[in-house]
Order: sequence, then C-alpha cells, then structure tokens
Amino acid sequence: AQTVTQSQPEMSVQEAETVTLSCTYDTSESDYYLFWYKQPPSRQMILVIRQEAYKQQNATENRFSVNFQKAAKSFSLKISDSQLGDAAMYFCAYRSDAGNNRKLIWGLGTSLAVNP
Amino acid sequence: NAGVTQTPKFRVLKTGQSMTLLCAQDMNHEYMYWYRQDPGMGLRLIHYSVGEGTTAKGEVPDGYNVSRLKKQNFLLGLESAAPSQTSVYFCASSYATVFFHFGDGTRLSIL
Repeated sequence: AQTVTQSQPEMSVQEAETVTLSCTYDTSESDYYLFWYKQPPSRQMILVIRQEAYKQQNATENRFSVNFQKAAKSFSLKISDSQLGDAAMYFCAYRSDAGNNRKLIWGLGTSLAVNP
Repeated sequence: NAGVTQTPKFRVLKTGQSMTLLCAQDMNHEYMYWYRQDPGMGLRLIHYSVGEGTTAKGEVPDGYNVSRLKKQNFLLGLESAAPSQTSVYFCASSYATVFFHFGDGTRLSIL
C-alpha cells in the first residue's frame, strides 16, 4: 500500500525568506500524481501545486515550486518570498493512476508559521 | 458559484443520536469522497463513490453509512453517534482528472 510521510510536524520561516517542506512517499507504481494542499485556519483545502510522475520537469506555481525526485520518492515544496498569508497547514498527497477510485493518500501535514 | 457545498457547517449531537451530512456538487463530477480530519491524524477516507448509485468503503468506514442516489449528492450518515466521531468532516469531488474540489468542512461534536 502507498504511504506518504511528512517528517516535519512544524516549520517556521521569516517573512520574505524561503522555506522547504519535505515529503516522501512509498509506492510500487510508476504512474501517479503528487499534490501539495494548503489548509489555512479557515479550514479550506486549497490546491497549491501538483506533479505528474511521468513529467521530469518540476512543477512551479508563482512562488511555489517542487523538487520531485522520483527515484528517491521525494516531493518537497519550496515557498519563496514567504508571506504572512502562507501560514497554514500543508499536506502532501498521493494519487494512484491505477484503478478507478482516484483516492488521495495523505501525509499528516506540516504546520508552517511565518514570522514578521 | 460552482463547487462543493457541505451542510451543515457545525453540529452538536448527543451520544446515540443520528444525523446526515449532505454534500452537493454542481460540477457533474463522477467521484465523491467523505474524509474525516482529526488532530495528528491527517485526513482519513471514510467512504467514497465512483458514480451514481455506487459506494465503497475507505479506511475508516465503521459507524458510517453513505448513499449516492443522485450524481450531485453524497450523503454521510451516522446512525448512532459516538464521541469518537467528533471530528471535522470534508467532502470532495473529482472528475477523471487530478483536480479534487473540497467543501469547507463540517465540524461535528458529539457529547
């Protein structure tokens, strides 16, 4: 079974600095998707970025980028120029491309604090 | 606005009471999911549906039932609420894509 591990329960960063959140996963599949979701205090689950396993190029969305290392099964999130609004829980998630259930497998999350 | 709507947003129940959480989506998505989120546990899948009239168990289905009589609605039922079911419940939907749309969550407290 697939698993997702986020080894940093809490992180902090100074405003305008860069922070990297770690995520590793375990799977025997070759085709899958990886996601980072943000959950602010409002509880909404907001998609930050996604990565298709078949793509070698790392995904980028404005200040958010990933370092996807398929062989190492690592999927870290880098937040550049951190802003106060980035403070939230961040969840890494895995979705298999096999079968028809499209389930997401979640890590336990990393709580990110942004210090002014 | 298009999206996933959960009803209610908050609810307090007494042990043994029953209730139904409603999830409605207007995006014509085939797949719908119910998750619960507990501190230190992340999101855990309760039940899911791959289409109208179908349901399947997730990781933690005990104590819950679901129905998908209409494509746009996915109901989560608690027949006899227990304090262990105190949680925040999220509904999500997706088409055959990688985009999952989440509702805003329902905070359920069982006394």
